[in-house]
Amino acid sequence: SQQGEEDPQALSIQEGENATMNCSYKTSINNLQWYRQNSGRGLVHLILIRSNEREKHSGRLRVTLDTSKKSSSLLITASRAADTASYFCATDAAQGQFYFGTGTSLTVIP
Amino acid sequence: DGGITQSPKYLFRKEGQNVTLSCEQNLNHDAMYWYRQDPGQGLRLIYYSQIVNDFQKGDIAEGYSVSREKKESFPLTVTSAQKNPTAFYLCASSIDLGSTEAFFGQGTRLTVV
Repeated sequence: SQQGEEDPQALSIQEGENATMNCSYKTSINNLQWYRQNSGRGLVHLILIRSNEREKHSGRLRVTLDTSKKSSSLLITASRAADTASYFCATDAAQGQFYFGTGTSLTVIP
Repeated sequence: DGGITQSPKYLFRKEGQNVTLSCEQNLNHDAMYWYRQDPGQGLRLIYYSQIVNDFQKGDIAEGYSVSREKKESFPLTVTSAQKNPTAFYLCASSIDLGSTEAFFGQGTRLTVV
């Protein structure tokens, strides 16, 4: 399986704090994406970073990519209770299909 | 409204029965995917389709079948050969394979009773 892994599996923080979650993957990639999933719902795309990029920002989100370590991190700054969700990284496989990691469950306490 | 629709939202199946999950998209996407998600777990790829009349097995295709007779439709059949079918099933689409973003339906929760 090409499934990646996120860590930590679960994270609980106070509102206003920053949340950092990490993703490790196994094969070379063209790009890496982060998705969010509210409980019992589908996934929503957050941000994409290409293999030749090292860092990318979108609003309160900051993503880094280290292809030499096959890892990425997602930082959510100034977290809000509404950020409570599961977060998944996804990589593109050889034929272009998406493979998702195991996810980080984030709880932001008001 | 453009989007991807899965139905039904909840489905109950008796052991030994086949059941078909519906996935329809009006985004004009060529690629479509089926994933299985178990509680507290990530998504595992069942099948994917690059184009009409073509589909490929993912990591866990055993006990499942699909068809892609129309661009907008990619139904998944969970057969009686699938020994542990209770799970949350997610359908997704993208402009093509290797695209930059997948769009997901809201999922179907299948329970074997």
